[in-house]
Amino acid sequence: DIVMTQSPLSLPVTPGEPASISCRSSQSLLYDNGYNYLDWYLQKPGQSPQLLIYLGSNRASGVPDRFSGSGSGTDFTLRISRVEAEDVGVYYCMQALDMRTFGQGTTVEIK
Amino acid sequence: QVQLVQSGAEVKKPGASVKVSCKASGYTFTSYYIHWLRQAPGQGREWMGVINCSGGRATYAQQFKGRVTMTRDTSATTVYMELSSLRSEDTAVYYCAREVIVVAGNHYTGMDVWGQGTTVTVSS
Repeated sequence: DIVMTQSPLSLPVTPGEPASISCRSSQSLLYDNGYNYLDWYLQKPGQSPQLLIYLGSNRASGVPDRFSGSGSGTDFTLRISRVEAEDVGVYYCMQALDMRTFGQGTTVEIK
Repeated sequence: QVQLVQSGAEVKKPGASVKVSCKASGYTFTSYYIHWLRQAPGQGREWMGVINCSGGRATYAQQFKGRVTMTRDTSATTVYMELSSLRSEDTAVYYCAREVIVVAGNHYTGMDVWGQGTTVTVSS
């Protein structure tokens, strides 16, 4: 199984400031077609998860451009350029190369 | 609009089975997979398996093989997930989520629509 490791697990943030979350996989998520099969999801309190980023760096429909994804192979990063209060919740990375496995989740809260 | 609507909360006794439904609407049912995932209290998110809503073929996570069955009814645009031999550790919120079936002309776009979640409680 591909193991996904996120850091940090807890991230206090100040509105208007940037934030970033790291995700590392136990094996490369880069497929033969040149795409990295890594997604980012956010679960806001009391809501179902929502897709933020797919294939490592593609923003899903309706996702604000303050969210961006980068990385390749085994190391990936989700960045929020300027955190807003509505961004609180648990962020998960998920590999989609072989079955599906998730990182432990990063809880983002306002300081 | 595009949505997945899941069946309501369930309370089951250990050893029993539970069947959760996921009704799709607003899109072409057979152009997508439906995944099932769960989140137990204090645990991480766990992927259970996926069904191809076109051909009906299902693939299950190793830890659920033999206990989980995923089926679909194309006329009802509904997918079902049945989990048997329930134990207390199966107490969780269960989610369905769709993913496009990649064919020539499109590409993978993640799990872009999720159901509202179904709470399953296993207790004697």
